[in-house]
Amino acid sequence: GIQVEQSPPDLILQEGANSTLRCNFSDSVNNLQWFHQNPWGQLINLFYIPSGTKQNGRLSATTVATERYSLLYISSSQTTDSGVYFCAVGAYSGAGSYQLTFGKGTKLSVIP
Amino acid sequence: DTAVSQTPKYLVTQMGNDKSIKCEQNLGHDTMYWYKQDSKKFLKIMFSYNNKELIINETVPNRFSPKSPDKAHLNLHINSLELGDSAVYFCASSPSLGGQGRYNEQFFGPGTRLTVL
Repeated sequence: GIQVEQSPPDLILQEGANSTLRCNFSDSVNNLQWFHQNPWGQLINLFYIPSGTKQNGRLSATTVATERYSLLYISSSQTTDSGVYFCAVGAYSGAGSYQLTFGKGTKLSVIP
Repeated sequence: DTAVSQTPKYLVTQMGNDKSIKCEQNLGHDTMYWYKQDSKKFLKIMFSYNNKELIINETVPNRFSPKSPDKAHLNLHINSLELGDSAVYFCASSPSLGGQGRYNEQFFGPGTRLTVL
């Protein structure tokens, strides 16, 4: 199946700093989503971005599908950005079924 | 106005018991899923249902049985609970299964934390 690797696994930032999270995937995909799992465990949709660039406030994401990677940028980080950021890619398996495969996440801690 | 809801939020039970988790979505989506998040936060697909038909069963023990009474509901029944079943279980939905465009964008419920003692 498709492999999804996220880096770095852990990141500690001072409030106000910027960061870039990376997601590499091993094959062509139909879908790529970024999620934020907050400290209460809720999975929040950040971006649906199989290709191109999108921005939402202080967050932006870029996916270069031909080179099989996606980047999530967080600018002017706030303590509420803390949590785990997941990249998930959607693709068809060998049996023809479609599924979303998650990376192991980047745990972000923003300290005041 | 919750889009994907799950009950209960927490479930604590003894080994060997049978339990169910319920999921409902009010987004009008055709496809629903169950995921398991282990203690290391790794999320893995368990089941996928499209229009009430099982599409994926990712090598899940047959003690786990999903049931979809209609497109808006997907329940998970677990028999003979084991210690290793302790995890957070997430329900999700998407407009459809696969294809291009945002039809396959998935939205997650709040999760159910299952603890087996």
